[in-house]
Amino acid sequence: SAVISQKPSRDICQRGTSLTIQCQVDSQVTMMFWYRQQPGQSLTLIATANQGSEATYESGFVIDKFPISRPNLTFSTLTVSNMSPEDSSIYLCSVGGRGTSTEAFFGQGTRLTVV
Amino acid sequence: GENVEQHPSTLSVQEGDSAVIKCTYSDSASNYFPWYKQELGKGPQLIIDIRSNVGEKKDQRIAVTLNKTAKHFSLHITETQPEDSAVYFCAARLGYSTLTFGKGTMLLVSP
Repeated sequence: SAVISQKPSRDICQRGTSLTIQCQVDSQVTMMFWYRQQPGQSLTLIATANQGSEATYESGFVIDKFPISRPNLTFSTLTVSNMSPEDSSIYLCSVGGRGTSTEAFFGQGTRLTVV
Repeated sequence: GENVEQHPSTLSVQEGDSAVIKCTYSDSASNYFPWYKQELGKGPQLIIDIRSNVGEKKDQRIAVTLNKTAKHFSLHITETQPEDSAVYFCAARLGYSTLTFGKGTMLLVSP
């Protein structure tokens, strides 16, 4: 199993600003994942963060908007840049659920509201 | 890629009743089907999963069934309790790829 700590848990931000979300895992993992959960919608994968290389982004998501850092095997950050109200969502950090690790573990999420 | 449809979007039951949530998937090669429960203010948590070589799996009050021919799988919760109230997500995975999630079902169990 994995315990994931994510912060902040929630924030209200002004449009045009940026917010960096932190994710800390209690064990070393190769891949960390960032998801977006829009109101009433499913979990959509934003990108996969590998230590020592650039993140891999899914279709519809770009590095300029969602820059990701992965400085070591237990930590990652996701920045939501130049925010607009459409970025209001829950952002989730996750490990597992891919490759030989079938179970995905999630942080508690960051509820972002952009005003 | 894989596409997962989930129904219903909301489900209200009385305490003690059974609840059934259904999902369909598009890629017949998908071989892993987990169900996650998300309580308010928390991240999703795995409650049960099933692999394509199994037709049914049960864990106490929770069961999952898989029909590979029809490409659908269902979550069954018996003797529901108010603490079962949450959003439930199904997901499907092809090989070693990432999970594709359904849109979720909000289950409300009234005492």
